[in-house]
Amino acid sequence: EVQLVESGGGLVKPGGSLRLSCAASGFTFSTYTMNWVRQAPGKALEWVSSISGSSTYIYYADSVKGRFTISRDNAKNSLYLQMNSLRAEDTAVYFCARDSSTWSQYYFDYWGQGTLVTVSS
Amino acid sequence: DIQMTQSPSSLSASVGDRVTITCRASQGISNYLAWYQQKPGKVPNLLIYGASTLQSGVPSRFSGSGSGTDFTLTISSLQPEDVATYYCQKYNSAPFTFGPGTKVDIK
Repeated sequence: EVQLVESGGGLVKPGGSLRLSCAASGFTFSTYTMNWVRQAPGKALEWVSSISGSSTYIYYADSVKGRFTISRDNAKNSLYLQMNSLRAEDTAVYFCARDSSTWSQYYFDYWGQGTLVTVSS
Repeated sequence: DIQMTQSPSSLSASVGDRVTITCRASQGISNYLAWYQQKPGKVPNLLIYGASTLQSGVPSRFSGSGSGTDFTLTISSLQPEDVATYYCQKYNSAPFTFGPGTKVDIK
């Protein structure tokens, strides 16, 4: 059974940093592109970042480019999102999501339950 | 970047009604479009990819169509468990943008 479990969310002050983690199990992690998607309270889904299985291809939304860094450790079956220079508008539930295929389709068939990041003074 | 819009933003329909949601891309994306359902308090669930291919396990009352810039998601006979917000997403190239969502509830 595919499982994705996010952790690392919490309350942080504007300008602060936070590192999110996503522990994956139930599939061959290294062969799938992994993604972060966020959802501000009461708002729509927003794609944040994607990283291919070997970390060769990495993409960011313009809203986080230069502030967030996606990474993965295939030996640990883990995905990460390092978030720096956080702003109030980064407040959201952050979901880890698996690509639907080992062919990097960039739509998402499994999602974690999400971790809440709140940026507030 | 390509922008995604959806209409309507919300709708209310009766059980058994046929419901259609539209998604439009500001530029052509061929058939690189997915649809997701997000029930209240739950994580998103993939319904359709490739504009019209039903994800395994999704009820056949859901269908998708379209290509290029205009796409539709149809629920042939609305059921109470279909109360949710529906999102389209483009995936032809980054950024893999979601639409603003369409909230569906029961009249």
